[in-house]
Amino acid sequence: EDQVTQSPEALRLQEGESSSLNCSYTVSGLRGLFWYRQDPGKGPEFLFTLYSAGEEKEKERLKATLTKKESFLHITAPKPEDSATYLCPEGGQGNLIFGKGTKLSVKP
Amino acid sequence: ETGVTQSPTHLIKTRGQQVTLRCSSQSGHNTVSWYQQALGQGPQFIFQYYREEENGRGNFPPRFSGLQFPNYSSELNVNALELDDSALYLCASSPSTGLVGEKLFFGSGTQLSVL
Repeated sequence: EDQVTQSPEALRLQEGESSSLNCSYTVSGLRGLFWYRQDPGKGPEFLFTLYSAGEEKEKERLKATLTKKESFLHITAPKPEDSATYLCPEGGQGNLIFGKGTKLSVKP
Repeated sequence: ETGVTQSPTHLIKTRGQQVTLRCSSQSGHNTVSWYQQALGQGPQFIFQYYREEENGRGNFPPRFSGLQFPNYSSELNVNALELDDSALYLCASSPSTGLVGEKLFFGSGTQLSVL
């Protein structure tokens, strides 16, 4: 059964304290590995898509990387506005498999 | 450019009742997917509609049904509501470019409470 597992479930950081979120996936054939952020009471907002091992993508303080079994979201010098739940679904063409997400809190 | 809009934002129903949730897709998008997100969980795929036809379904019973209209807006209908149906229901649209890694644009969801 295809599955996505994220860790940790929750992460508290001080502003400026860099860290990484982990996403492990077990799928029969990777279609795409996505990263979304979700703010409370809102729908997920797209960040990145990764397709193959070794691929990396960056956006402001965020950098996503992909290996054959895992993806990492590296957050450099986070700010309070980076606080959100981060989701890393696998899938394609509208059918995504989500894990529970990592709830990130960044304190000033 | 108008984003994905869902209505209503909140809804309270009683067990056994029926409910209809609505979604207007983003301009230019012809594919709509529906997800259920229980509290503290990630979203779960319910089904997808492409050009008014169901184009994939997740592990949900037949009492979850949908429609897509010629303007690509969509409805999610749930019959015989159960307490476990309480969740945030998310609608997502995409332009269906054919790319496997096509990103989805999500609405803010409808929070359904079943009492």
